[in-house]
Amino acid sequence: NAGVTQTPKFQVLKTGQSMTLQCAQDMNHEYMSWYRQDPGMGLRLIHYSVGAGITDQGEVPNGYNVSRSTTEDFPLRLLSAAPSQTSVYFCASRQGGLGNSPLHFGNGTRLTVT
Amino acid sequence: KNEVEQSPQNLTAQEGEFITINCSYSVGISALHWLQQHPGGGIVSLFMLSSGKKKHGRLIATINIQEKHSSLHITASHPRDSAVYICAVRGLLLGGADGLTFGKGTHLIIQP
Repeated sequence: NAGVTQTPKFQVLKTGQSMTLQCAQDMNHEYMSWYRQDPGMGLRLIHYSVGAGITDQGEVPNGYNVSRSTTEDFPLRLLSAAPSQTSVYFCASRQGGLGNSPLHFGNGTRLTVT
Repeated sequence: KNEVEQSPQNLTAQEGEFITINCSYSVGISALHWLQQHPGGGIVSLFMLSSGKKKHGRLIATINIQEKHSSLHITASHPRDSAVYICAVRGLLLGGADGLTFGKGTHLIIQP
C-alpha cells in the first residue's frame, strides 16, 4: 500500500493564481482531511470529508475549496492564492465512524505564494 | 475548544539519555495522539491512547485522564529520534468533525 500520497511536494504561486493540491489514499479510508502547518502554530484543520460526496469546513476554510467524488481522492483547491496561504499543507486519512482511529498523513506540500 | 500545551518546546540531549516530553490539555478527551515529524518530512502516528500506557520499541506513552496529562518517553535515545513530536487530542463530542486540537510540538535533538 502506498498510504496517503500528496502532490506536488513543492509549489510557488503568484498572488491571484489558482492551483489544486492532490491527495490520494489506497486504504479505503472513509475520513480524509486537509491541514495547514505554520511556524509557531499547531496543525489546523481546513476541510474534511467523512465519505464520498460529503465535505465540511474545518477551522480555517476561507480561500479553499474541496470535493470528494471518490473514496480515494480529496483534492484541495486554492481559487485565488494569497500570501497568507503560504504554508505547508498535509492531507490525512483514517478509518471512518465515530470511534477513534490513527491518522495517516501524506508527506506534505510546501506552498509559497509571492 | 481544548487547549493543548506541550513542554518543553525544545530539547537537546545526548545519545543514550532518557527523554520525556509532556502534553497537557484543558478539557475532557476521547483520545490522545502522539505524532512524529522528521525535518522536511511527513508526519507519522506513533500512538493513540485513551487510558493507561502503550509501548512500542523504545517509545512509551502514558496518559492520566484525571490529571489531563500525557507523557511520551524515549529510552536509550538515538540521533535518529531527532524530530518534532506533536501531541493532539480529540474531544468528547464525536461526530463528523475531526475535533483534533494539536499542540505546537516539541523539537527534539539527540546529539551523538
